[in-house]
Amino acid sequence: AQSVTQLDSQVPVFEEAPVELRCNYSSSVSVYLFWYVQYPNQGLQLLLKYLSGSTLVKGINGFEAEFNKSQTSFHLRKPSVHISDTAEYFCAVSHASGGSYIPTFGRGTSLIVHP
Amino acid sequence: NAGVTQTPKFQVLKTGQSMTLQCAQDMNHNSMYWYRQDPGMGLRLIYYSASEGTTDKGEVPNGYNVSRLNKREFSLRLESAAPSQTSVYFCASSERGDYGYTFGSGTRLTVV
Repeated sequence: AQSVTQLDSQVPVFEEAPVELRCNYSSSVSVYLFWYVQYPNQGLQLLLKYLSGSTLVKGINGFEAEFNKSQTSFHLRKPSVHISDTAEYFCAVSHASGGSYIPTFGRGTSLIVHP
Repeated sequence: NAGVTQTPKFQVLKTGQSMTLQCAQDMNHNSMYWYRQDPGMGLRLIYYSASEGTTDKGEVPNGYNVSRLNKREFSLRLESAAPSQTSVYFCASSERGDYGYTFGSGTRLTVV
């Protein structure tokens, strides 16, 4: 079984400050890792993903994440946030199972950017 | 615009009523999924369809049924709605799970 833990339910930050949203996972097999963003009253959008290769992955809107296998983590970072980054962020992990890929989502982290 | 379309966007039901949530994708994806989102719970998988003609239970299937009508459409049915089914429902699709998922904009369902 796989699981995802997002360590912070809410992260307040001031505009132009750096931010890190933490995600830890557990799985007994190789996994694929994702971050999604959900703006108010919208569906989820894919921010970035790690499949293999370089452990630092870059996504849309200036976000990046680093895969750390030894710490089973996939933290999301942005060096300078904007008001428009205020949203809910979800970490997800999936692995192949019988030909399907079934993701497990974390409970989400609400990023609140203050002016 | 290409994507996942869900209808309706909002619905209020009385306890015991039935309804079907519709989902259609125009990206020729093989797999489709239904999730529910509740505050502080993240997204929980209700049912999924790995390919046309197959459906499987997810984490929280009780009280729901699904139909993969064709490659494009995947519907979710509540036979006898209960207040515990008040939630936001999302449909998603993917070509392959390692490519990521495309989500619809959601259906906000309230059962009174």
